Amino acid sequence: ETGVTQSPTHLIKTRGQQVTLRCSSQSGHNTVSWYQQALGQGPQFIFQYYREEENGRGNFPPRFSGLQFPNYSSELNVNALELDDSALYLCASSAPGQGGLNYGYTFGSGTRLTVV
Amino acid sequence: AQSVTQLGSHVSVSEGALVLLRCNYSSSVPPYLFWYVQYPNQGLQLLLKYTTGATLVKGINGFEAEFKKSETSFHLTKPSAHMSDAAEYFCASSGGSYIPTFGRGTSLIVHP
Repeated sequence: ETGVTQSPTHLIKTRGQQVTLRCSSQSGHNTVSWYQQALGQGPQFIFQYYREEENGRGNFPPRFSGLQFPNYSSELNVNALELDDSALYLCASSAPGQGGLNYGYTFGSGTRLTVV
Repeated sequence: AQSVTQLGSHVSVSEGALVLLRCNYSSSVPPYLFWYVQYPNQGLQLLLKYTTGATLVKGINGFEAEFKKSETSFHLTKPSAHMSDAAEYFCASSGGSYIPTFGRGTSLIVHP
């Protein structure tokens, strides 16, 4: 198992810019979810992709968008960055199984985004 | 809709003492419940999970949790704290969508 890999680990962007964060899922996992974790808070669900289709979305505006590729890697894109977008962005992958239910997620170490 | 409430943003214990981190859930369907741990500058690691069956769940690093439906609780315990247990702990639940909803976290502080 290679685990979940996220890149970059840190980046700084200016308000109004666009950013793309990347995630490589754990081998055998075909579902990927993205979470935003603000400082001192729990992770907030952004969206989930299953077999390249969006499979659920949290309470985030459309300027947060995503992609999942045939190899199950994924991207999170954020347009028109705002200061409040500063957070740790976590990618988590999970596998089908046990009747198709996903019980536990494997998380990456995250990308720390700072918007100035 | 799923939600969890973690009681206490910080819990402080002495090394060797009992660890008790509290989590209550709200769910309209039978929940799946999880505890995750997060060390500084790292992602979340699954400690244990409850799906169905036995209500006392054992996880990694000596942690366990008990699902109590009557109390809508899923508290995390460890008989004897170690310095290496100092971290942020998150309770999470998921229902029919299987997408975890996380609590705000509890910071465990372990004193020598």
